[in-house]
Amino acid sequence: EAQVTQNPRYLITVTGKKLTVTCSQNMNHEYMSWYRQDPGLGLRQIYYSMNVEVTDKGDVPEGYKVSRKEKRNFPLILESPSPNQTSLYFCASRKVGGALPRPYEQYFGPGTRLTVT
Amino acid sequence: QKEVEQNSGPLSVPEGAIASLNCTYSDRGSQSFFWYRQYSGKSPELIMSIYSNGDKEDGRFTAQLNKASQYVSLLIRDSQPSDSATYLCAVTGRRALTFGSGTRLQVQP
Repeated sequence: EAQVTQNPRYLITVTGKKLTVTCSQNMNHEYMSWYRQDPGLGLRQIYYSMNVEVTDKGDVPEGYKVSRKEKRNFPLILESPSPNQTSLYFCASRKVGGALPRPYEQYFGPGTRLTVT
Repeated sequence: QKEVEQNSGPLSVPEGAIASLNCTYSDRGSQSFFWYRQYSGKSPELIMSIYSNGDKEDGRFTAQLNKASQYVSLLIRDSQPSDSATYLCAVTGRRALTFGSGTRLQVQP
């Protein structure tokens, strides 16, 4: 089954304790992205990756790190989590290429609800 | 000005009615437009995509795009209680897919 998976689905942690949220896709997609979703603010992009070893900042990258060493995986790292990073996080992926204006459609993982106390 | 704007709602419609959801965007260069449905606590699910001016129909859903006025809308015919969700408008801009904050739809049985 084609899918984007995330782990863990739920995480409660304390300020300053490093954590990693994993994301994996089995669709051979080049593009992967991380979003956070907060009430009233919608989905905001944290980081994205166009391919292996190619990453770039989104709209809200502060406090986050990513790496893309393999095509299928795109982990999100919080080196020193703070309470303002409490949020619902989504990983997404899609193929790259195809002539605009018809880019390939983007698919989301199930989400990770993170609470930082 | 937000790049993609939606009325947060809730938009309440009776079962069987037409629900009309609207979205405006600021980047005139935008070329691709999407509607996602998101149930509470779940991930967004793509339900419609539209790329050229006019209407696109898929089952009970119709997406409408007007690039001159910079708006895109979603009509849901014969609304069902199962359509109750938040609907996110997304627009491809210069760099990435930008989402609106979503409109919450409530379909009353």
